[in-house]
Amino acid sequence: NAGVTQTPKFQVLKTGQSMTLQCAQDMNHNSMYWYRQDPGMGLRLIYYSASEGTTDKGEVPNGYNVSRLNKREFSLRLESAAPSQTSVYFCASSGAPGGRYEQYFGPGTRLTVT
Amino acid sequence: AQKITQTQPGMFVQEKEAVTLDCTYDTSDQSYGLFWYKQPSSGEMIFLIYQGSYDEQNATEGRYSLNFQKARKSANLVISASQLGDSAMYFCAMREGNTGGFKTIFGAGTRLFVKA
Repeated sequence: NAGVTQTPKFQVLKTGQSMTLQCAQDMNHNSMYWYRQDPGMGLRLIYYSASEGTTDKGEVPNGYNVSRLNKREFSLRLESAAPSQTSVYFCASSGAPGGRYEQYFGPGTRLTVT
Repeated sequence: AQKITQTQPGMFVQEKEAVTLDCTYDTSDQSYGLFWYKQPSSGEMIFLIYQGSYDEQNATEGRYSLNFQKARKSANLVISASQLGDSAMYFCAMREGNTGGFKTIFGAGTRLFVKA
């Protein structure tokens, strides 16, 4: 099992460019999440998907869109990147019915917007 | 609204001693879950321990225990017999609701330094 995978690992964008961060999990989890982590700070929730076909805003959704493509995949899109979106982006999944619903994280994508 | 507060930006502990990392939370829900995660310098996020709001006993996982005081809304992490490999950032997190698909928020974290 690969767990949670994210692509790319690193990305540099110019202001105004767009890109999509990809995330996939092979644990048959229902819920998936996107977070950003700025230097020296905790994780802030951007969007989450409780189950296939649903998405909801988190704490900092502005400037982002998401797609829950199927149960395995949850992508994050930046339509017009801004320097304030320079961050490390983590995808996570959770969901074993009757369980603790702890989150399993991908390795992160380090994004720099110049 | 959900809120997680970790008031200790950095903590030092001597190897083999115990250390407590503080976490307080705020929620109006009766049903919620509390988590602690570890982030080593390599950057990955590692789940450590979980406490459900209805759990009557404090959670324990090996050297980790969670000191859950519901009335005070605190969920402190206790690491016993600290090891050099425990040096990392530690995050407290809370999920409202009793199933997986609820919003989970994180505190700002505490950086732990273990001294030899």
